[in-house]
Amino acid sequence: GENVEQHPSTLSVQEGDSAVIKCTYSDSASNYFPWYKQELGKRPQLIIDIRSNVGEKKDQRIAVTLNKTAKHFSLHITETQPEDSAVYFCAASAVSGGYNKLIFGAGTRLAVHP
Amino acid sequence: SAVISQKPSRDICQRGTSLTIQCQVDSQVTMMFWYRQQPGQSLTLIATANQGSEATYESGFVIDKFPISRPNLTFSTLTVSNLSPEDSSIYLCSAGSGSRTDTQYFGPGTRLTVL
Repeated sequence: GENVEQHPSTLSVQEGDSAVIKCTYSDSASNYFPWYKQELGKRPQLIIDIRSNVGEKKDQRIAVTLNKTAKHFSLHITETQPEDSAVYFCAASAVSGGYNKLIFGAGTRLAVHP
Repeated sequence: SAVISQKPSRDICQRGTSLTIQCQVDSQVTMMFWYRQQPGQSLTLIATANQGSEATYESGFVIDKFPISRPNLTFSTLTVSNLSPEDSSIYLCSAGSGSRTDTQYFGPGTRLTVL
């Protein structure tokens, strides 16, 4: 079945630095790749997503890139701030019974130090 | 984006009992999803609930343990039956946006502790 691998599992950066989280997926039919941010005790929050007909998407300080040939996609956060500290999950879509479900990576715990 | 609420937010249950979790969406959606998130872990899909048909369960999850109802396009329940301490976890529901099922928004979760 579909598998999504996410690296690194933990990431520590200084405020103002950039952070990059990488994911690879196994199902070549995957066509939707969302990223979620989960703060401690809160629900996962969709922060950005990308579809397979696009190579890059930006939203202020965050961007996602997709390489369909290599089956990997990445989240880039620039000018990190302490409030960016959270667990980030990537996901890839998988077709099941005529609809799309999501397969999640294991998560990356990002710590931004002032 | 859909606004999703869950009840209860947390509960402490005795071994052998059951807990039913409710999930309400503020708009009609085709699919609703139920996930389990164990402490410090990722999200694992339990089942997908489509209104008017039986839920579709992922490998490792069975209907007898996790019965699901989906009576209309804005509501679903997940029951965790015959509770054991291993069922202690956070249970989250999510919903797609209208007929789209891949863009999912999550409820706040239900923290279950089994004694």
